Amino acid sequence: QVQLVQSGTEVKKPGASVKVSCEASGYTFSNYGISWVRLAPGQGLEWVAWISGYDGNTDYAPKFRGRVTLTTDKSTITAYMELRSLRSDDTAVYYCARGGVGGNYSPLDYWGQGTLVTVSS
Amino acid sequence: DIVMTQSPDSLAVSLGERATINCKSSQSVLYSLTNKNYLAWYQQKPGQPPKLLISWAFTRESGVPDRFSGSGFETDFTLTISSLQAEDVAVYYCQQYHTTPGTFGQGTRVEIK
Repeated sequence: QVQLVQSGTEVKKPGASVKVSCEASGYTFSNYGISWVRLAPGQGLEWVAWISGYDGNTDYAPKFRGRVTLTTDKSTITAYMELRSLRSDDTAVYYCARGGVGGNYSPLDYWGQGTLVTVSS
Repeated sequence: DIVMTQSPDSLAVSLGERATINCKSSQSVLYSLTNKNYLAWYQQKPGQPPKLLISWAFTRESGVPDRFSGSGFETDFTLTISSLQAEDVAVYYCQQYHTTPGTFGQGTRVEIK
């Protein structure tokens, strides 16, 4: 069965960076993409970025462009999201989710369990 | 960015009654080449990741009960729960995936009256 398993809780200071992983299994990684979505306390879902599992092409929400980098490791079938220059309002649960391979033009049909990132001095 | 606006923000419905959630996009999410509306509905319960219920505006995902249905076209969409069950208590989100960024509505909280 399709599974996305994310890395554990992170606590970071303002200005630091965080790298969250998302290990995929149960499907052909190169036939799909991975999107990252976050849920901040008291807020709604927010789409962050997308990466193709086929060729590593990326697409970033303008709000996060320049601060976030997505990568994949095909040898371990793992996607990564690095977010830099962390601020307190980056505190959120970050989810990876499976989507389309050619761009962020497909629904997100399987989700990871979420990774809580807390930014606090 | 395409702005997705849901209404209402919260909804309390009696067990067995109908729940209706609306979602309006600031631009059309219909892609003319495919004639599909790039609109999904998700259900999120506390402490869980979102679950995809409906894609392409009205296609129910495998395993989703048929009391959930989606409708709408271009800019106006609706999620209907025909007979609310206790396990349907959750926050529901619409999302457009027509244009980057793939924006979500603010969410609608559904509770039991």
